[in-house]
Amino acid sequence: EVQLQESGPGLVKPSQSLSLTCSVTGYSITSNYWGWIRKFPGNKMEWMGYISYSGSTSYNPSLKSRISITRDTSKNQFFLQLNSVTTEDTATYYCARSGITIAAMGVMDAWGQGASVTVSS
Amino acid sequence: DIQMTQSPSLLSASVGDRVTLSCKASQNIYKYLNWYQQKLGEAPKLLIYYTNSLQTGIPSRFSGSGSGTDYTLTISSLQPEDVATYFCQQYNSWWTFGGGTKLELK
Repeated sequence: EVQLQESGPGLVKPSQSLSLTCSVTGYSITSNYWGWIRKFPGNKMEWMGYISYSGSTSYNPSLKSRISITRDTSKNQFFLQLNSVTTEDTATYYCARSGITIAAMGVMDAWGQGASVTVSS
Repeated sequence: DIQMTQSPSLLSASVGDRVTLSCKASQNIYKYLNWYQQKLGEAPKLLIYYTNSLQTGIPSRFSGSGSGTDYTLTISSLQPEDVATYFCQQYNSWWTFGGGTKLELK
């Protein structure tokens, strides 16, 4: 059974970078697509981006200048870096697995428990 | 961007009720629509994908329908464990989520 677990600092200062790790067990990240999604206070959810089985990436256009998703296949982990954060980046950050076919790329069938990140000085 | 609008934002219903949640897209999403359930403090769980396909392990009281811009999640007989927030998500163009419907027991 695939399991995903987010980890990283819970508090980040404004203008700094937010860095999170998603550790995956029970499934290889060299298959499927692997994404980051965040949920703001008030329930709004936003897809941030994904990294594919081959290492290619796609980002939400609203974040494109600030976001980077990378991976370490030897550790079966992928990473989120969000630069120049503000208080508006305060959210719970989730990593998730998505399907690989055209019909399933966007179907997130496994999620981590989420990591709460507060941006505050 | 494709905007997703869910209604109602809050729904109160009784055990055994048939419950219908709505999701409307700002343009045709060609059935590329998923539904997720999120209970308090838990990760979202995929219920329905591609409009009407039931995810493995999900009870058959959940069903989805729709086309074009209008989609529906139906719970045929509400159970206490269905108390949660439900999100729709389109994946026709990038991936965007609705604002959620919070389902509570009356």
